[in-house]
Amino acid sequence: GQQVMQIPQYQHVQEGEDFTTYCNSSTTLSNIQWYKQRPGGHPVFLIQLVKSGEVKKQKRLTFQFGEAKKNSSLHITATQTTDVGTYFCAKGSQGNLIFGKGTKLSVKP
Amino acid sequence: EAQVTQNPRYLITVTGKKLTVTCSQNMNHEYMSWYRQDPGLGLRQIYYSMNVEVTDKGDVPEGYKVSRKEKRNFPLILESPSPNQTSLYFCASSLPQWTEAFFGQGTRLTVV
Repeated sequence: GQQVMQIPQYQHVQEGEDFTTYCNSSTTLSNIQWYKQRPGGHPVFLIQLVKSGEVKKQKRLTFQFGEAKKNSSLHITATQTTDVGTYFCAKGSQGNLIFGKGTKLSVKP
Repeated sequence: EAQVTQNPRYLITVTGKKLTVTCSQNMNHEYMSWYRQDPGLGLRQIYYSMNVEVTDKGDVPEGYKVSRKEKRNFPLILESPSPNQTSLYFCASSLPQWTEAFFGQGTRLTVV
């Protein structure tokens, strides 16, 4: 299956710094979803974006869907230790949900 | 409480010994799927099911079987496990296509 490409693979930040992960596709996406997986846990749904240029916010998290619907980003402002985990984007494809490889975020207190 | 339940959570087995990992959801979801998670490879889909008696291969189906006889259950069967199937497995369910997926707690499988 055609995966979505996610970068970076790892990100280490100092608490209080910002963090961004990017998700790119070679084909137009009908929608993009974002999930968070805490260490030792399971993926948990964060949000779904469906409209071109869409921007959604959840407290310190900002999610964007590109104008061409081929890329998306998740930005965290002023990271906290509770933000630690792996962030995945996922796209729907013919009834299937295909995940990127994820960005593992570590936060140094 | 809405949930996806997988059993067992941990399993160590020997090569060639058939095993089944169960998955059950109580949300009346049509769509269920199995993923395996390996370091650096993300979540790769093994099989998915869009409804009872409807299953299809994902990206890495070799060595696995599934069945969907009831809406709530979607077991993953390894007929003859091999060490390269050592992994963390997740079951997920959702309403039809591209809606929020709910994941089980995961099953850590080791094949020796």
